[in-house]
Amino acid sequence: DGGITQSPKYLFRKEGQNVTLSCEQNLNHDAMYWYRQDPGQGLRLIYYSQIVNDFQKGDIAEGYSVSREKKESFPLTVTSAQKNPTAFYLCASSSQGDGAYGYTFGSGTRLTVV
Amino acid sequence: GDSVTQMEGPVTLSEEAFLTINCTYTATGYPSLFWYVQYPGEGLQLLLKATKADDKGSNKGFEATYRKETTSFHLEKGSVQVSDSAVYFCALSEKAAGNKLTFGGGTRVLVKP
Repeated sequence: DGGITQSPKYLFRKEGQNVTLSCEQNLNHDAMYWYRQDPGQGLRLIYYSQIVNDFQKGDIAEGYSVSREKKESFPLTVTSAQKNPTAFYLCASSSQGDGAYGYTFGSGTRLTVV
Repeated sequence: GDSVTQMEGPVTLSEEAFLTINCTYTATGYPSLFWYVQYPGEGLQLLLKATKADDKGSNKGFEATYRKETTSFHLEKGSVQVSDSAVYFCALSEKAAGNKLTFGGGTRVLVKP
């Protein structure tokens, strides 16, 4: 079945470490997105990519980095520069040709700084 | 820019009650409108959508009608169940904005038996 896979589901990071969250899709979607969700709050866009080898900053890109070397994959690195990384991270993808289909979301990664 | 405003929660209901979650939007063109649902600890799932004025989206007993004149897309369900307890997000996308989704802040719904 087609979908988006995020891994791991839970991730613990020590202060000062970089960690990478995985996001893979087999929907043949062109565009991919990373969102951050804090408890009881909405979604904030971190980065997005509309085509391979290209990506743009979202609203809260500081302290994060991404790459888009393959259409299927859009990993997110949370760097030590991100001062408050504990959050729920959601990856999504969409078919760029038609915004009427919305996004397909992964099941999320919960990152906790210990 | 585009924006979506939805009623703040939490909304607490008894089973079989009627649910309405208000959603209004601001957009420069003619957006597509969506409702997403998020169950605890999970990602978002598309609940329903509407792509043009007067369209009605429906799924799992939920309905929402695209009202261009009032720039609204209110979500309704006639008889809620405990399993409908979740957070509901209203969203829009516009081709002029590269089809990026703009989300409302989410409304938490709690249905008690």
